[in-house]
Amino acid sequence: DAGITQSPRHKVTETGTPVTLRCHQTENHRYMYWYRQDPGHGLRLIHYSYGVKDTDKGEVSDGYSVSRSKTEDFLLTLESATSSQTSVYFCAISELRQGSGEQFFGPGTRLTVL
Amino acid sequence: KNEVEQSPQNLTAQEGEFITINCSYSVGISALHWLQQHPGGGIVSLFMLSSGKKKHGRLIATINIQEKHSSLHITASHPRDSAVYICATIGDKLIFGTGTRLQVFP
Repeated sequence: DAGITQSPRHKVTETGTPVTLRCHQTENHRYMYWYRQDPGHGLRLIHYSYGVKDTDKGEVSDGYSVSRSKTEDFLLTLESATSSQTSVYFCAISELRQGSGEQFFGPGTRLTVL
Repeated sequence: KNEVEQSPQNLTAQEGEFITINCSYSVGISALHWLQQHPGGGIVSLFMLSSGKKKHGRLIATINIQEKHSSLHITASHPRDSAVYICATIGDKLIFGTGTRLQVFP
């Protein structure tokens, strides 16, 4: 299994509070991604990173920000959580850019916003 | 209409049955990715293929680029195959299907 961990694995928070999810990899892959998974939808890309300090938006980026200060860590921040952000969040990594190769996924973080 | 559609959405089978899960897509792609999501939530890559067929153990994936269709087959299904199977098209970006939930009963 690719070395990807996510923390926390579960979190319950209240509307309006900031939340940060962490993704950590030990594979030294260049590309890192944050997805959310909701019933009735396929995995949807929130943000991705193509290198340290290099990030870009995905299809559902509103309300989220990311940072990558080290190759191994990719942080997803909800500045002010809303109930619509209740979801399961997956981090993924790949050696090649999205669209060129296989992605490897972390175990997921279940976030509930009350 | 979703760009990637899977069928069926839900599938139940008896142990030993041959299983087929379908994935149709409308976008141009360079390859297609099959993934398995365990009941605990983890997502595992099964196959990435751009033509023909790939086999790994009891799993077989096929793709027809001209018809924009891929299938995932499971031979001699087992309860441990119970999971959600997801296809994702690989082009300019990854587009994921909504998954097929498979339950195999003893």
